[in-house]
Amino acid sequence: AQSVTQLGSHVSVSEGALVLLRCNYSSSVPPYLFWYVQYPNQGLQLLLKYTSAATLVKGINGFEAEFKKSETSFHLTKPSAHMSDAAEYFCAVINMKTSYDKVIFGPGTSLSVIP
Amino acid sequence: DTAVSQTPKYLVTQMGNDKSIKCEQNLGHDTMYWYKQDSKKFLKIMFSYNNKELIINETVPNRFSPKSPDKAHLNLHINSLELGDSAVYFCASSQFSGAPNTGELFFGEGSRLTVL
Repeated sequence: AQSVTQLGSHVSVSEGALVLLRCNYSSSVPPYLFWYVQYPNQGLQLLLKYTSAATLVKGINGFEAEFKKSETSFHLTKPSAHMSDAAEYFCAVINMKTSYDKVIFGPGTSLSVIP
Repeated sequence: DTAVSQTPKYLVTQMGNDKSIKCEQNLGHDTMYWYKQDSKKFLKIMFSYNNKELIINETVPNRFSPKSPDKAHLNLHINSLELGDSAVYFCASSQFSGAPNTGELFFGEGSRLTVL
């Protein structure tokens, strides 16, 4: 069965600093991996996804993530944090060999950006 | 024009009551979901329908009953509400494309249920 862990339930960075949110997955088959963002009082929206093509994936708002099979990781980064990046971030995995969509979400990391 | 819309956005009700949440998507997707987000922001899938057929039914109490009248609508009815049902319920949709599927979900804004 697939699972996702996110190290650090809360991360604080200064405006302009590097953002690094960690995600590790467990899957017996090649996974598809995703990062979603949830702004306060809103639903989730997709930031980026890995679907077995390029291991470095670029997403919206300057975010990117790198798939590292040897480390079973899919960490999310952004070179320079902006105040508007403050939100909850979820890593997610899907088993590509099932016959239906079942996206499993990690517990989330709350990102705070300090002015 | 909202892609995935849920109503109502807020529900406050007493224990033991019955309530429903409605969801509609205008993206032409054929798969819809209900997710529950608890107070710690943890997201858990509850149900999924593909073309009106139930395909995912997680270990959810029988008091929760989903219904999909057509592929653009998915409703959630909850009987005999309990304090532990307080949460934000999210509807989502995706285009199920068989294998490989994309797993990209489009979420509504959520329905915050408070049981007193």
